[in-house]
Amino acid sequence: AIQMTQSPASLSASVGDRVTITCRASQDIRNDLGWFQQRPGGAPRLLVYETSNLEDGVPSRFSGSGSGTDFTLTISGLMPEDFATYYCLQDNSYPYTFGGGSKVEIK
Amino acid sequence: EVHLEESGGGLVKPGGSLRLSCVASGFPFSIYSMNWVRQAPGKGPEWISYISSRSATMYYADSVRGRFTISRDDGQKSLYLQMNSLRAEDTALYFCARDTNTPVMTKSFDAWGQGTLVTVSS
Repeated sequence: AIQMTQSPASLSASVGDRVTITCRASQDIRNDLGWFQQRPGGAPRLLVYETSNLEDGVPSRFSGSGSGTDFTLTISGLMPEDFATYYCLQDNSYPYTFGGGSKVEIK
Repeated sequence: EVHLEESGGGLVKPGGSLRLSCVASGFPFSIYSMNWVRQAPGKGPEWISYISSRSATMYYADSVRGRFTISRDDGQKSLYLQMNSLRAEDTALYFCARDTNTPVMTKSFDAWGQGTLVTVSS
């Protein structure tokens, strides 16, 4: 199975900060990478698909980049509602696998 | 509005069985492939099973293969997960999640239910 290594596991940031989360795949997954946001008590929510495509309704402060094995989710101008846990997902081959998560906390 | 609603979770003893259901509304269920994803307490999500439209293809995670069976009833707009030989490590919140696939786009897990909790304990 493809392993997804996500970092950092947690970070503290302030409203307005730029935040970057990375995910590394154990093998080439082309651009088959998605990002999800999960708030406490809620289901994950798709933010980005195919590395860089923003899901409908997702604010433009979220962006994704990368290819092959290295991927990045950037939040440009953190808002209060962005404090949550973020997960990457490789959907290149089964079994689909998630990264370990990155918890964004208020500084 | 797209809506997925899971049910069927509960407390079950190790070795027991449970059948989860997921009812869909707000989209043409029959043409979408579907998944089950679970999340153990305090852990990240784990994909466990996939079923294509028309039930042509199914996949399972190693952790559940041979014990869990995914199925669907398009007439009822429902997805199911039959879980047998349950173990303590199957304790989790179980979500159904939709895929959207077109010739030019693949979006995995673009819609989720709120989940149903399965607790395996004696």
